[in-house]
Amino acid sequence: KAGVTQTPRYLIKTRGQQVTLSCSPISGHRSVSWYQQTPGQGLQFLFEYFSETQRNKGNFPGRFSGRQFSNSRSEMNVSTLELGDSALYLCASTPGGLGHTGELFFGEGSRLTVL
Amino acid sequence: SQQGEEDPQALSIQEGENATMNCSYKTSINNLQWYRQNSGRGLVHLILIRSNEREKHSGRLRVTLDTSKKSSSLLITASRAADTASYFCASSPLFGGFKTIFGAGTRLFVKA
Repeated sequence: KAGVTQTPRYLIKTRGQQVTLSCSPISGHRSVSWYQQTPGQGLQFLFEYFSETQRNKGNFPGRFSGRQFSNSRSEMNVSTLELGDSALYLCASTPGGLGHTGELFFGEGSRLTVL
Repeated sequence: SQQGEEDPQALSIQEGENATMNCSYKTSINNLQWYRQNSGRGLVHLILIRSNEREKHSGRLRVTLDTSKKSSSLLITASRAADTASYFCASSPLFGGFKTIFGAGTRLFVKA
């Protein structure tokens, strides 16, 4: 089974621009979570989607948004980029159904640098 | 903060020694998990312990959970240079929805 795939792996943007990151979960997984990882703040939860519905959201400004498609693939978007948005953005998938233990399967991440 | 606390922040040991990392969390949980991250890469799940379990083993890993103190520890026995990585605990809150909250992590360096 293929793992979680995130694209692009690396990208450089300038302040004020916007960016879209993509995540393809493991086949059969319906839940996708997004995390932001920075040296200062660690791993911060952004949001979680299941069957195209956002079930939970972290404490991030409205510039951070996401969506999930019917094939469970997910995208996150950050608008009006700030220097502080430079981070490793990690996507994780799980089956998401009742009874699932909660183990997260992570992709390799998208490293965003904002100049 | 969304995160729990982990200590130590960094740990340097010799190959063959044991490494112990501690984690505290804030709310009642369904389970607690430990993950490993090699530099700048994705996280890999190591072990999960349910809230009604007190201890769990997997190979060279031993995890304990004390729900009364809201704390957990990860012990890696007979460490190897390849164990060099960052280790994170992650808790799934009993209430509060579908999210897993990560601690700040412990950076482990194992010297050959």
